[in-house]
Amino acid sequence: DVKVTQSSRYLVKRTGEKVFLECVQDMDHENMFWYRQDPGLGLRLIYFSYDVKMKEKGDIPEGYSVSREKKERFSLILESASTNQTSMYLCASSVPGQGAEKLFFGSGTQLSVL
Amino acid sequence: AQKITQTQPGMFVQEKEAVTLDCTYDTSDPSYGLFWYKQPSSGEMIFLIYQGSYDQQNATEGRYSLNFQKARKSANLVISASQLGDSAMYFCAMRGDYGGSQGNLIFGKGTKLSVKP
Repeated sequence: DVKVTQSSRYLVKRTGEKVFLECVQDMDHENMFWYRQDPGLGLRLIYFSYDVKMKEKGDIPEGYSVSREKKERFSLILESASTNQTSMYLCASSVPGQGAEKLFFGSGTQLSVL
Repeated sequence: AQKITQTQPGMFVQEKEAVTLDCTYDTSDPSYGLFWYKQPSSGEMIFLIYQGSYDQQNATEGRYSLNFQKARKSANLVISASQLGDSAMYFCAMRGDYGGSQGNLIFGKGTKLSVKP
């Protein structure tokens, strides 16, 4: 089975801190994604990557950056955390194609910024 | 732009009964895919079912079926014989096959299903 692992299940940080959220997948997937999930808003795409060192902005990239130095690892970076970035963050991966390829998700990181 | 609408923030169903979760979509792509995911309280997103826009038959996966009405742009999820373990958030999602993000899914806001014993 595909496994997408997020390094932390819960994280508490202070305003202004630099925060790293790590995601690793073990199935050699080209595509990796970072979503943010908030109650009543569903999942919103922050950034995605379709290859090593490649990145594309999603719908809400402001305040975030990403890094993909190795195919299996995709990191989300909050340069200076703010309270409005308190949220559940979900990482996902997939194989590129058309149509039926599904996303495989990690268990999520619940980030609280105080 | 693509859009997914789930109009039911929350629903209740009696155990062993069937339930339908609504999903409508909007896209200008001639070819697209529709997905349903389940998110239990543990947080992990679990893939349930997929429907391609050119599929002639409605998709089925065990107790899950997708009622796909292309002309109405709806892709409702039907869960038969509800179980207590079906209590979760359910998300409808769509991927367009032309342009836009590579492999990205666009999600609705979700429906929280509660199964009553």
